[in-house]
Amino acid sequence: DPKIIQKPKYLVAVTGSEKILICEQYLGHNAMYWYRQSAKKPLEFMFSYSYQKLMDNQTASSRFQPQSSKKNHLDLQITALKPDDSATYFCASSQDGQGRDTQYFGPGTRLLVL
Amino acid sequence: QQKVQQSPESLSVPEGGMASLNCTSSDRNFQYFWWYRQHSGEGPKALMSIFSDGDKKEGRFTAHLNKASLHVSLHIRDSQPSDSALYFCAASEGNYAQGLTFGLGTRVSVFP
Repeated sequence: DPKIIQKPKYLVAVTGSEKILICEQYLGHNAMYWYRQSAKKPLEFMFSYSYQKLMDNQTASSRFQPQSSKKNHLDLQITALKPDDSATYFCASSQDGQGRDTQYFGPGTRLLVL
Repeated sequence: QQKVQQSPESLSVPEGGMASLNCTSSDRNFQYFWWYRQHSGEGPKALMSIFSDGDKKEGRFTAHLNKASLHVSLHIRDSQPSDSALYFCAASEGNYAQGLTFGLGTRVSVFP
């Protein structure tokens, strides 16, 4: 059974619209993260949460807003979508967010903005 | 300049052969390193972590860390077709809930 679930797997959106990417983890972890993977770029860290509190935000744009309704959920709301937002978005989690904790990644949501 | 650089960009290895991947960091604050593997259409999967100088072996995979030169390597022995994937080196300063810094990856292809 998958331990980190991301929904949907694929998403097509029009420029200017808003979408929410869902992430749920069943590893019992307390820290969760969002990353973005674009062509020709390294995996890029976006946000981290620990015990449902925002710990780090490396995104320059306020159009990206994480939302944590439950301890094991960390959704990503993206507003005013742009074609440059097209990428695969990965959710990850780690035991407690300690520096040496391994981060485990979900299968990703592939977003295409037209 | 990227803080984590990987080489080579791609690598072809015969089945049963040895694959050697390299990773160099330009940030001396990085203390912790991981190797991840990503098959097409999937998320990155952690292969192993290495935090101390020297070698660390897990099955067919051996990682080596030299903190003085900020160099990490990964060696895959007895390569299998299922090892064909994109391999990432990732690093962290070790701060609480800090995101990982990834390299661009090395694409490994294992041919029969």
